[in-house]
Amino acid sequence: SQTIHQWPATLVQPVGSPLSLECTVEGTSNPNLYWYRQAAGRGLQLLFYSVGIGQISSEVPQNLSASRPQDRQFILSSKKLLLSDSGFYLCAWSALSDGANVLTFGAGSRLTVL
Amino acid sequence: GQNIDQPTEMTATEGAIVQINCTYQTSGFNGLFWYQQHAGEAPTFLSYNVLDGLEEKGRFSSFLSRSKGYSYLLLKELQMKDSASYLCASMDSNYQLIWGAGTKLIIKP
Repeated sequence: SQTIHQWPATLVQPVGSPLSLECTVEGTSNPNLYWYRQAAGRGLQLLFYSVGIGQISSEVPQNLSASRPQDRQFILSSKKLLLSDSGFYLCAWSALSDGANVLTFGAGSRLTVL
Repeated sequence: GQNIDQPTEMTATEGAIVQINCTYQTSGFNGLFWYQQHAGEAPTFLSYNVLDGLEEKGRFSSFLSRSKGYSYLLLKELQMKDSASYLCASMDSNYQLIWGAGTKLIIKP
């Protein structure tokens, strides 16, 4: 069966510090991978998605970046965090062959920038 | 523009039935999703509708009317564990999901 792991679960970082959130998927090959941010009272915001190694699409201009160094690994990074980067970050995957594109989410990473 | 509307919060009684509505406006349409999200946790998939009508899955059912841009999630025999946020999302012509802000469902004994 497929599983998705995301870490760290919680993170408290000072403004201006770097960020790295990691996500890995097991039990499947060539998944679509996604990074979302969820702010209180708002819908999930798609930040990045990837259909293959090294292929990253950015949906929203920001000081975040994403990389996919391996087929089942997706990393969200920042060189210098802003206060507005605080939020709940979710990694997700879907099967390339799934026409319905059902997403399976990781447990999430709660980031607080102080 | 693209928009998903659903109520912010609803309250229901244990054992009762509740209907959570969702209206959507997206550029093209490739299906309507419902996800459940318990506080502090990740969303989990509940249902997917791409054709008009009612899809039943145990205590949960989901309905879609494409002509009206409307869907609802029906929860029967409510249990305390159903207290959660319910997220509606529409998939647009580019197969990207447009998400509503979620409906927080409070179940009272």
